[in-house]
Amino acid sequence: GNSVTQMEGPVTLSEEAFLTINCTYTATGYPSLFWYVQYPGEGLQLLLKATKADDKGSNKGFEATYRKETTSFHLEKGSVQVSDSAVYFCALILTTDSWGKLQFGAGTQVVVTP
Amino acid sequence: EAGVAQSPRYKIIEKRQSVAFWCNPISGHATLYWYQQILGQGPKLLIQFQNNGVVDDSQLPKDRFSAERLKGVDSTLKIQPAKLEDSAVYLCASSQTGLPKGETQYFGPGTRLLVL
Repeated sequence: GNSVTQMEGPVTLSEEAFLTINCTYTATGYPSLFWYVQYPGEGLQLLLKATKADDKGSNKGFEATYRKETTSFHLEKGSVQVSDSAVYFCALILTTDSWGKLQFGAGTQVVVTP
Repeated sequence: EAGVAQSPRYKIIEKRQSVAFWCNPISGHATLYWYQQILGQGPKLLIQFQNNGVVDDSQLPKDRFSAERLKGVDSTLKIQPAKLEDSAVYLCASSQTGLPKGETQYFGPGTRLLVL
């Protein structure tokens, strides 16, 4: 079946450290890929997305590249801030489906300390 | 632009009771989704509406859950009777067309349900 696997948390970092959150997927065909973020006490919001192989999504200093050969969409940020503390979800939509249903990974909690 | 609105934000009920959640999507969005997020897991789609018709309810426990979207705008999700395992955050989301082409889904703040 189709699924998303992401690294378990929590990931604890110091401010200005480099962040990587691994995400791999299993899907029939070529899905669209997303990273959503959930800040404490807030709803899910889109962080970035990529709709085809080799596309790079970027936003707020975060980047992720759609790698078809490794079925991955790892999230990176070069220098994290305390305000980046949140839960990050990797997700996919199958473009072969009739309708766009998001399928999420389990989420990775990131804690950034001053 | 107003976001997706949900109410209530929190609800505590006894098992076997009933509960209802309300969602108002972003104006003009044709597609409305209800997701269930159990603690420590990613959200799981329960039901998807296209205007006021259901296009996917394959993961909705239909013996106890029901949902409607009258007039293609607001939506209500109901649980009757509730079980302990229904304790979760219920998220409503909307998108413009619902087509599987990388379209952004916008989420509300969620309703946190605790069943005792």
